Amino acid sequence: EADIYQTPRYLVIGTGKKITLECSQTMGHDKMYWYQQDPGMELHLIHYSYGVNSTEKGDLSSESTVSRIRTEHFPLTLESARPSHTSQYLCASSALRSEGYTFGSGTRLTVV
Amino acid sequence: GENVEQHPSTLSVQEGDSAVIKCTYSDSASNYFPWYKQELGKRPQLIIDIRSNVGEKKDQRIAVTLNKTAKHFSLHITETQPEDSAVYFCAALAGGGNKLTFGTGTQLKVEL
Repeated sequence: EADIYQTPRYLVIGTGKKITLECSQTMGHDKMYWYQQDPGMELHLIHYSYGVNSTEKGDLSSESTVSRIRTEHFPLTLESARPSHTSQYLCASSALRSEGYTFGSGTRLTVV
Repeated sequence: GENVEQHPSTLSVQEGDSAVIKCTYSDSASNYFPWYKQELGKRPQLIIDIRSNVGEKKDQRIAVTLNKTAKHFSLHITETQPEDSAVYFCAALAGGGNKLTFGTGTQLKVEL
C-alpha cells in the first residue's frame, strides 16, 4: 500500500549518541518534510526537500541534518543527542503539483 | 512569509452541538487551505480542504468557509460526536509556494 513510513516508532537513547530517524514513502512524491511536535502542540518545520539532492532548513532552528539521495528516502540525523531533542518527529510528503501532505506515524524520541 | 493564526486553542462542546474553529492568514496570494485532524497518538490526517476560487465546501458533518477579503477561513463541525475529539490544524499555502504554513492547533473535546 502506498504510504509514508517512519522507523523507529519509539526510541529511547542516551545523551551524546548519534541517531538517524528513517522516513520512506512509496507514493512517488517529490516533496518531503520533517516536523518537530510536542504532543498535541504546534507543528514546527525543521527541514524540507523538493527533490533529490535538494534540502532546506525550516522555520525552527534544529541541530539535526537531513539528506535526500533517493526520491523515496529522507532520513534525519542527530550527531549528538541531548535531552532538549526529546520530542516527536513527523515526516510528511506531497506531490510536486499537489498541495496536500501525507504524514507518517512519527518517531517519539526520548533522550535520557 | 505567510503567517496563520488559529483560535481558539481549546474548545469544549457537548455531544450533538456544533464546533467552529477559525483561522486568519496574512498573505493575500494564498490559494489553498487544508484542515488536518490529529487524534491522540496518531498522525495528522487531511479532513477537508478549500481553494481560493471557492467560498464554501462541505463533506457530511464537516464544512469549511473562506472569506478572501477578510483573509480568514473556518472549520465547522455539526452534530459533534466523541470521536471528533482531537487536535485540529488549519494551514495555508501561499501562491507559488511549496510548503504549508500551519496554525497552532485547536484541542477539541466533545463531552457526553
